[in-house]
Amino acid sequence: QVQLQQWGAGLLKPSETLSLTCAVYGGSFSGYYWTWIRQPPGKGLEWIGEINHSGNTNYSPSLKSRVTISIDTSKNQLSLKLSSVTAADTAVYYCARISGGIWGQGTMVTVSS
Amino acid sequence: DIVMTQSPDSLAVSLGERATINCKSSQSVFYSSNSKNYLAWYQQKPGQPPKLLIYWASSRESGVPDRFSGSGSGTDFTLTISSLQAEDVAVYYCQQYYGTPLTFGGGTKVEIK
Repeated sequence: QVQLQQWGAGLLKPSETLSLTCAVYGGSFSGYYWTWIRQPPGKGLEWIGEINHSGNTNYSPSLKSRVTISIDTSKNQLSLKLSSVTAADTAVYYCARISGGIWGQGTMVTVSS
Repeated sequence: DIVMTQSPDSLAVSLGERATINCKSSQSVFYSSNSKNYLAWYQQKPGQPPKLLIYWASSRESGVPDRFSGSGSGTDFTLTISSLQAEDVAVYYCQQYYGTPLTFGGGTKVEIK
């Protein structure tokens, strides 16, 4: 059974770079798109972007200039970097495999000076 | 971007009664080549990641109680909880995966009357 475990820094200052990693356990990394999604406190879900095992990416147009999603197939891991963060980037960040509805536990990231 | 609009924003239903949530997409999410609607429904409880309930608009995910059902095609979809249970109190989201960026509805909060 596929499980996703994610980690990364939870408190950032404005202008810093958010960095999160998600490890995929118990299943194949290939053949799927792996996704990052975020949820500001008390609000809805926002798709950030996705990557497949070949490194093909798709990004949200609203975040594209600041987002990089990468993979390490040797470790079955994907990573998210979001540069120049502001308070508006405060959210719970999830990694997920939309196909099959598999989600990580979420990481709360707070941006505050 | 495909805009997903859910209604109502919140819903209070008596235990054992029916709950109906609507979702409308700004363009069709039906792919004629495989006759599938690229529409999913999720349930989210506080402090938890979303849980996949329904995919392809009407296919129930394994382990999801049969009181949950999805219907609709093209641009108009419905999630029905046939007999509301206490454990169904949550926020429900629709999501299209017809194209990127993947987009979610704003959510419907279901409570007990």
